[in-house]
Amino acid sequence: EADIYQTPRYLVIGTGKKITLECSQTMGHDKMYWYQQDPGMELHLIHYSYGVNSTEKGDLSSESTVSRIRTEHFPLTLESARPSHTSQYLCASTDGSSGNTIYFGEGSWLTVV
Amino acid sequence: GNSVTQMEGPVTLSEEAFLTINCTYTATGYPSLFWYVQYPGEGLQLLLKATKADDKGSNKGFEATYRKETTSFHLEKGSVQVSDSAVYFCALRGSGAGSYQLTFGKGTKLSVIP
Repeated sequence: EADIYQTPRYLVIGTGKKITLECSQTMGHDKMYWYQQDPGMELHLIHYSYGVNSTEKGDLSSESTVSRIRTEHFPLTLESARPSHTSQYLCASTDGSSGNTIYFGEGSWLTVV
Repeated sequence: GNSVTQMEGPVTLSEEAFLTINCTYTATGYPSLFWYVQYPGEGLQLLLKATKADDKGSNKGFEATYRKETTSFHLEKGSVQVSDSAVYFCALRGSGAGSYQLTFGKGTKLSVIP
């Protein structure tokens, strides 16, 4: 059972609003990730972190930003939401070697109107 | 770079039918291979994994065997149920230094009808 949590699960906000999607894990994992899932189901890595104060952009360019001040916490922020940001955002974490599982949270569904 | 190609969906089967979802990969070295499942409205859950050649991962009646000679990791289940309706993702994690990311296939949506 994965101990990784995302809030909010569902959010509808207006254009131009600032939002933060929270992600926390209690497994002590040093590596954390954010994926964006488009309506066609495909998953795109948008941010990752390999430890505190370490953040990198992923394969898909995103206007969101992330921070990693504590090991267990990896929030994602959109300073000014737009309808094009409507998507599902999935947080994940892991540690150790390549055989180790990457665990996912339940996702945050964001709708910008 | 690494890549995963999986069978395009959607796939519709009757209950108790046999399921195969094909997955092939391209990677250097000895990657670990995974199948994740996503039920409607939820995140991804690990279904099974294999970390070396000829390993068989299994869970909930699903199986997949790591075939290095054919670079494949096909998912199979002998008798599907309505509750297996979900999206299935094949993924790999590389074996080189710093290989901490998953490369996903595009997902295959399975619908099982009574």
